[in-house]
Amino acid sequence: EVHLVESGGALVQPGGSLRLSCTASGFTFSNYSMNWVRQAPGKGLEWVSYISSSSSSIYYADSVKGRFTISRDNAQNSLYLQMNSLRAEDTAVYYCARSQYYYNAWGQGTLVTVSS
Amino acid sequence: DIVMTQSPDSLAVSLGERATINCKSSQSVLYNSNNKNYLAWYQQKAGQPPNLLIYWASTRESGVPDRFSGSGSGTDFTLTISSLQAEDVAVYYCQQYYSPPHTFGQGTKLEIK
Repeated sequence: EVHLVESGGALVQPGGSLRLSCTASGFTFSNYSMNWVRQAPGKGLEWVSYISSSSSSIYYADSVKGRFTISRDNAQNSLYLQMNSLRAEDTAVYYCARSQYYYNAWGQGTLVTVSS
Repeated sequence: DIVMTQSPDSLAVSLGERATINCKSSQSVLYNSNNKNYLAWYQQKAGQPPNLLIYWASTRESGVPDRFSGSGSGTDFTLTISSLQAEDVAVYYCQQYYSPPHTFGQGTKLEIK
């Protein structure tokens, strides 16, 4: 069974940093592209970032470009999101999602709250 | 960036009746070389992550009831629930995966009338 488990969410002050992790199991992680998608409280889904299976292609939403960095470790079946210069508007549940074009597996999400 | 616009924002339908949700993209998501529409539909129930329903605009994901169907091509798409069940109460999102950023529609909240 496919499992994606996010971790690392926390309360952080504006301007602070946080590193999210997503641990995968139940499938060959290195065969899939991975993504981060976030959802602010009571709002819709916002795509954040994409990384290809070999890390050769990486994309970011304009709202996080230059502040967030996506990476992966295929040997550890793990996906990461390094978030710097956090703002109040980054407050959201962050989901990792597996994709081969469409997004066919999602984690339960981890909550990031940016507040003083 | 491709902008995805859903209509309506919310919808109330009686049990057993048909529900229809529309999604329009600001540019075509049809890839001519393989004649595939890079469009997916997701269902998100309260407190849960999104769940894939439909991909390539009309292919139902394994395990999804056949009352769910997708149609459309190019820039205009539709998700139809043929006979609404109580467990279908959720927010539904379309998403294009034609080109990054893989944008989502704003969501359509489906309720029971």
